[in-house]
Amino acid sequence: GDSVTQMEGPVTLSEEAFLTINCTYTATGYPSLFWYVQYPGEGLQLLLKATKADDKGSNKGFEATYRKETTSFHLEKGSVQVSDSAVYFCALRTGAQKLVFGQGTRLTINP
Amino acid sequence: DGGITQSPKYLFRKEGQNVTLSCEQNLNHDAMYWYRQDPGQGLRLIYYSQIVNDFQKGDIAEGYSVSREKKESFPLTVTSAQKNPTAFYLCASSMLGLAGGPGGELFFGEGSRLTVL
Repeated sequence: GDSVTQMEGPVTLSEEAFLTINCTYTATGYPSLFWYVQYPGEGLQLLLKATKADDKGSNKGFEATYRKETTSFHLEKGSVQVSDSAVYFCALRTGAQKLVFGQGTRLTINP
Repeated sequence: DGGITQSPKYLFRKEGQNVTLSCEQNLNHDAMYWYRQDPGQGLRLIYYSQIVNDFQKGDIAEGYSVSREKKESFPLTVTSAQKNPTAFYLCASSMLGLAGGPGGELFFGEGSRLTVL
């Protein structure tokens, strides 16, 4: 079945550091790929998405490129802020009407 | 403002009791979903519904029940048969459509935290 594997956390960085959170997937067909963010005590918010190979999703300084050849969708940000501290989820969606999530990566940014 | 409203935000239950979590959306979305979140395990799908009066089991439906009598509402009942119900429950909705089209994104509520005493 479809699955998503994320880099294990927690990840702790200093402010202004470069961030990468790895995400790889297994899917039949051609999935859409998503990154969601969850701030403490809240639901999930869509951060960015890509719907076909080589698409780059971007939002709030975060970027991720849909790499079909490596089945990856790694999340990157050039300079993180304390306010980026949250849990990040990679997810995929194929023709079925449901999202399949990775296990989440907790990110903490220290000032 | 359009969105998804879950209630209650916190709920305590004694063993053996059924509880119902409310989920209402005013986004005019056709599809609605319930996910369960446990620490370190990501989100797992409990039930989903694509249309009124129809719903499908997800990956962990045992011990749960749902109804979809109105487009806007998709309540989840956690029954006494659910052996480990303490968790964070998230409701979501989306437009219908093929992956990659306008229907690709799910919108989430703020969640309900259930604790069994």
